[in-house]
This record gives sequence, structure tokens and C-alpha cells, in this order.
Amino acid sequence: NAGVTQTPKFQVLKTGQSMTLQCAQDMNHNSMYWYRQDPGMGLRLIYYSASEGTTDKGEVPNGYNVSRLNKREFSLRLESAAPSQTSVYFCASSDRGLAGGETQYFGPGTRLLVL
Amino acid sequence: QKEVEQNSGPLSVPEGAIASLNCTYSDRGSQSFFWYRQYSGKSPELIMSIYSNGDKEDGRFTAQLNKASQYVSLLIRDSQPSDSATYLCALDNYGQNFVFGPGTRLSVLP
Repeated sequence: NAGVTQTPKFQVLKTGQSMTLQCAQDMNHNSMYWYRQDPGMGLRLIYYSASEGTTDKGEVPNGYNVSRLNKREFSLRLESAAPSQTSVYFCASSDRGLAGGETQYFGPGTRLLVL
Repeated sequence: QKEVEQNSGPLSVPEGAIASLNCTYSDRGSQSFFWYRQYSGKSPELIMSIYSNGDKEDGRFTAQLNKASQYVSLLIRDSQPSDSATYLCALDNYGQNFVFGPGTRLSVLP
């Protein structure tokens, strides 16, 4: 039982390049999330998916797209990377059958540097 | 947009002391609250959740919730150097997602 896995662990991009961050969970959770974390800013929600087939914007969605490929996998795509997207990206999952009372489990993170 | 505020710290306490971490939130309707611990370079991990007014204890950790005053706190008794980390307060946004505070950095001095 690996929990939440993310690939890659670290990536360097040049401005304008594209890439996809991969996330998978093996806990049969309905909900999945993408956050970015910058110094002094805490975790900011980019996109989330409450269930397979649905996605919704979070606090900072501009410059990103997501795909909920199936119940296990939720990917984050940067179409044209910008230096402002340099950050640590965390994927998380939770079982939100009921509001509240649920725990978010986080992946190990992807450190992205955009030059 | 819901807001969750925390003192960024660093909060420094001597080993064996009680560390008190505080969090305030803007939405009076928020019902569920969480404390996460994040070591440097690692991902957040859940320490405690609290849903009702009052105290909830788990080992050396006590979460306190006061919905009328819109604050939630975390007390760490007998603080250890291994407790040195950033502590994130979060609330459940009506079952849709979570909102996190910026975190408080705690340093426990040997």
C-alpha cells in the first residue's frame, strides 16, 4: 500500500516548456487535490476532483489544467511554464463521503524550478 | 474566500515546555478543523482533527476549538526537539475542499 505517489520528484523547466505532473493513490479515495506551496504562503489549492469525472478550480488555477484519468490518477499540466510557477507541488487524496471527518493524505511532493 | 490565519513564527520553546500554536478563521460557519505537521522538505501529515467546541487530547497533543471566537489552537506538552516543524491549521470548506493557513514554524531548543 503505497498511499499517494507523485512523479517526478524534481524537475527543471525553461520558460515556455510544458510538463505533466502525475499523481496516483491506491486507497480507493473519491477526492483528489493539487496544491502548490511557496515560502510563507502555506498550501494553496490549484484544482480538485471530488469524484471520478469531475474537476473544479481552487484558489490559484491560472496556468494549469488537470485530468482525472480514473479513480486512481489525477494529473496536473503546465502548458507554458513561467518562473512564477516555481514551487513545490503536492497531490493529496481523501474519502469525502461525508463532509468533515475526513483526512487528506499527501504525496511526497514535486519540486519544480522554472528558469 | 475563507481565510485561515496563523502567526508565521518562528516560535521557540525550550525542551520540556508547552508549545502553544494558534489559528483564527474568518468563516463562522466552518465546522471541521485540522492540524497538520510538516517537517522541512517533507509533506504534511495529520496530527489531529476537531469538530466540537472544547478540548480534544491525543497523547502530548491537545487541540482546542472555540467557534464563538473563531479560533483553534494546538498545545504540545513536554515539547521535544523532534517536534520542531511547521504546523499547518486547516478547515473543511463545506465538504468541498480544505483551506490551509500559512503555518507556524516551531523550534524546540534542547
